[in-house]
Amino acid sequence: AQKVTQAQTEISVVEKEDVTLDCVYETRDTTYYLFWYKQPPSGELVFLIRRNSFDEQNEISGRYSWNFQKSTSSFNFTITASQVVDSAVYFCALSEAGSGGSNYKLTFGKGTLLTVNP
Amino acid sequence: DGGITQSPKYLFRKEGQNVTLSCEQNLNHDAMYWYRQDPGQGLRLIYYSQIVNDFQKGDIAEGYSVSREKKESFPLTVTSAQKNPTAFYLCASGSPGQGLREAFFGQGTRLTVV
Repeated sequence: AQKVTQAQTEISVVEKEDVTLDCVYETRDTTYYLFWYKQPPSGELVFLIRRNSFDEQNEISGRYSWNFQKSTSSFNFTITASQVVDSAVYFCALSEAGSGGSNYKLTFGKGTLLTVNP
Repeated sequence: DGGITQSPKYLFRKEGQNVTLSCEQNLNHDAMYWYRQDPGQGLRLIYYSQIVNDFQKGDIAEGYSVSREKKESFPLTVTSAQKNPTAFYLCASGSPGQGLREAFFGQGTRLTVV
């Protein structure tokens, strides 16, 4: 069964600090997708990134970067020079390829509440 | 505009009443999902549907029911059998194919039992 663990329940930083959100996953499949979503106070989930299991290249998008390491089953998310607008709950999620196409669903971690103080 | 629409945004229900949450998408996605969010619990899967006229139970299906008569619509009924229905409900849709490669979420419905 698939499982996602976000060990950090809450993180508080001061603006301009760098912060890393941890994500560890479990899966038996060799083909799977990993996601990060942001949930601002309004409640809607905002898609940030998707990574498939065959692509271990790290990715950078502006102040955001992601470090995917299959050896440790981790997909960590770093925000550089954090801003107050980054304050939100961040979710890591996993989707397995499944057997026969019958298991296409997202399993979420419990989320990390990030607070960026001015 | 393409997207997922959930309605209503806020919903109040008296104990013992059934209530239906609406979810509509115009993204032409085959798969649709319902998640429940409680503080500190993350998102838990209630039901999902990979194709019209078919759906599967998720991790916490008890007390809920769904239908998938049209590709665009996946309503969720919270029945009186659901012991603790007060929560934030999120609907999503996606395009499965070697795993769920994308999933887009609606703005959510906050249900309160009064």
